[in-house]
Amino acid sequence: GNSVTQMEGPVTLSEEAFLTINCTYTATGYPSLFWYVQYPGEGLQLLLKATKADDKGSNKGFEATYRKETTSFHLEKGSVQVSDSAVYFCALSDRANAGKSTFGDGTTLTVKP
Amino acid sequence: DGGITQSPKYLFRKEGQNVTLSCEQNLNHDAMYWYRQDPGQGLRLIYYSQIVNDFQKGDIAEGYSVSREKKESFPLTVTSAQKNPTAFYLCASSMTGTGGYGYTFGSGTRLTVV
Repeated sequence: GNSVTQMEGPVTLSEEAFLTINCTYTATGYPSLFWYVQYPGEGLQLLLKATKADDKGSNKGFEATYRKETTSFHLEKGSVQVSDSAVYFCALSDRANAGKSTFGDGTTLTVKP
Repeated sequence: DGGITQSPKYLFRKEGQNVTLSCEQNLNHDAMYWYRQDPGQGLRLIYYSQIVNDFQKGDIAEGYSVSREKKESFPLTVTSAQKNPTAFYLCASSMTGTGGYGYTFGSGTRLTVV
């Protein structure tokens, strides 16, 4: 079956530091890949996505590239802000499961001023 | 604006009581999902529905029930058989098919047993 493995947290960075959160996946088909962000007490919001190999998803300074050869979709941001403090979830969905998503366990990011 | 609405935001349940969590969407999405999130943990799938009048159990369906009588609505009932219901409940919706669209989530309902 499908699975998503995320880098364990928590991750603590200083403002303006470079961020990487690792995500690798196992899937039987050709999945679409997603990053979601969850702020305290709220639901998840779709941050970015990529639907095929070598696609780069980007939004609000965050980027992730779909790497089929390494089955990875690592999240990066060049300069984090305190407002980026949240929990980040990597996820995949594929046609074989009629679009049902599989989520990673989430990585908590704290950015200190 | 289109979106997905969960209510109430906070809910308190007494021992032995059934409670129902509401989830409504106006995105014209076919698929809807219920997840449970415990503190510091990921999402666990309770039930999902890909079409009206049909739904399937997820990974932790015991003690929960759902209905899908309308495309827009997917209420979740937490029954007295659910022994540890205190958690954050998230509803989501999506277009079905290839899975390339991602989910839209509601803002969640926090259920506490008192």
